[in-house]
Amino acid sequence: KAGVTQTPRYLIKTRGQQVTLSCSPISGHRSVSWYQQTPGQGLQFLFEYFSETQRNKGNFPGRFSGRQFSNSRSEMNVSTLELGDSALYLCASSTGTETEAFFGQGTRLTVV
Amino acid sequence: QKEVEQNSGPLSVPEGAIASLNCTYSDRGSQSFFWYRQYSGKSPELIMSIYSNGDKEDGRFTAQLNKASQYVSLLIRDSQPSDSATYLCAVTQVSGGYNKLIFGAGTRLAVHP
Repeated sequence: KAGVTQTPRYLIKTRGQQVTLSCSPISGHRSVSWYQQTPGQGLQFLFEYFSETQRNKGNFPGRFSGRQFSNSRSEMNVSTLELGDSALYLCASSTGTETEAFFGQGTRLTVV
Repeated sequence: QKEVEQNSGPLSVPEGAIASLNCTYSDRGSQSFFWYRQYSGKSPELIMSIYSNGDKEDGRFTAQLNKASQYVSLLIRDSQPSDSATYLCAVTQVSGGYNKLIFGAGTRLAVHP
């Protein structure tokens, strides 16, 4: 069974640009959560989607947004990139939020 | 107070010893608890889940949960150098009627030969 797939794996963007990251969950999983991981802050929760609805949101500015499609694939978008947005962005898929979550390989975003 | 607290380490243990990793959480309503292992430069990998008080064993790993003390631990028996990684404790937290998974900052484990 295929795992969680994130694309792209690496991105380099310039300050002020915007970026879209993609996550395809495990087949049958309807919940997708996004996290930002930095050395100083650890894994920070961004948001969670379930059946195309955002059910939870972390404490990030509105520049961070996401969506989920009917096939459960999810995208997150960051607009007006700042240097501090450089991080590893991870998505995790699960059947529901009380159950085990499995991570993709992540997208490493570098903002220059 | 952080929502999920872990000692950052590094926790250094000799090969063959038992490594004991600890985690405390603040939300008494938390129901599900997980341990992830993360190698440097890689994404977190789920290694244990525990939902009720007591011990749960899987191979060399034992997770322990005490909801009254809001405490979760992970024991690794017969530690191997390949166990050297950062171990993340994760706890579900109710927010807006739904659960979200909150992570501790992780404990770095170093197993030396």
